Formats: sequence, C-alpha cells, structure tokens
Amino acid sequence: QKEVEQDPGPLSVPEGAIVSLNCTYSNSAFQYFMWYRQYSRKGPELLMYTYSSGNKEDGRFTAQVDKSSKYISLFIRDSQPSDSATYLCAMSIFNTDKLIFGTGTRLQVFP
Amino acid sequence: SAVISQKPSRDICQRGTSLTIQCQVDSQVTMMFWYRQQPGQSLTLIATANQGSEATYESGFVIDKFPISRPNLTFSTLTVSNMSPEDSSIYLCSVETQGALLYTFGSGTRLTVV
Repeated sequence: QKEVEQDPGPLSVPEGAIVSLNCTYSNSAFQYFMWYRQYSRKGPELLMYTYSSGNKEDGRFTAQVDKSSKYISLFIRDSQPSDSATYLCAMSIFNTDKLIFGTGTRLQVFP
Repeated sequence: SAVISQKPSRDICQRGTSLTIQCQVDSQVTMMFWYRQQPGQSLTLIATANQGSEATYESGFVIDKFPISRPNLTFSTLTVSNMSPEDSSIYLCSVETQGALLYTFGSGTRLTVV
C-alpha cells in the first residue's frame, strides 16, 4: 500500500465549477500537508500548506485536513481555464525534510 | 522564495552514457534535494545534498548510479550514470524556502534515454 494515495484523474470540469481534489494517507505521523500545482513542463509550485486539522482558505482555494480520517482535500471555487494543471498533494513528518507525494491529479477546466 | 535555475531543461541520451544536471539557486541554502518524477508516478526523493558532506540517498538509490556534488551553498549537480531507458524521467532539484518545511522546485530536466 502506498503511503499517499491520489486519484490520477483526469478530471474535466466546466469553467466556474467547484473542484474537489483529494488524497488519503496511511501514516499517522504525517504532520504537514501541502498542495502543489504543476503546469505542463514546469516544476511543482507550492499552492497551500497547513499543519493542523481543519480548513485553510486562500482566495479561491481551500485546503482541508481531517487527521482522524487521514484525508486531505483541496477545493477550488469558480475554477478557471488557467487552473488546468496537475495538482500534487504532499506531506511530511515533523522534524524531517522528506516530502511524500501523491501521484497527482490532472485537472482540465474547459471554457 | 528562492529562484532555481536547472539545466539542461531536456536531453535525449544514448544508453550507457551519463548526463550531469545542474541546479543553481539565487540564495544560499543549507540543503538541496533531488527528485525523480516518472510518468504516472509520484515524485520520489533521490537524495539530499548538504554542502561539505556526502549526499544522503533514499532507499533504492545509490551513489554509483546518481553521484551528487554540492561544492557550495548555491549549487549542486546530479549525474545519471550508465543510463538505460528505465532512467527516462523528469529530474527536479528543490530547496527549502520560507522555513518550516516549505519547498521550491526547479523547472526540471526531462531526460529520454534511447
């Protein structure tokens, strides 16, 4: 079993839709949770991060962590064609430098 | 956040040869990280490079295959040695930025071995 599971998609939605991207994990020692966005032929860029259970909002993006269920989500409101990219969840254990990534979900937002 | 320049951006190499990938950061950083991103798979950490010491390799990766240099606090190289088609992948360098385990990535090197 992989430490981090993420549906690879692709996920195709119309412009303006609410998008929900999800990851599950098996290691209860994970303390830090991140979402990266990766455009084609580019490196991942940090989108959001959180250290605790609950919600964190940044503009159209909301990161949600449920440690009891070992489940994290990223919600994108009013999705735009420019949001079309691969979204990677990542997590790490306290006091370590190693990130464990999901496989990424490819999102396409069509006009 | 740090700006990372990674070269080459892509290359096509013959099997049995070696390729050295360079990673230049615009600020001094303690640790640099090298990742591999294979098609349909998650980013996987190859090794952590500290300036002035040997790189630390993750399980499944060895120094003979992926030698790393870290001559100063702004630069590192990763060599993919004796390449086979299975080494075809995207290789990315990364540095910790903003503190608190937040990382910036280079744009990657897309390697195809034929």
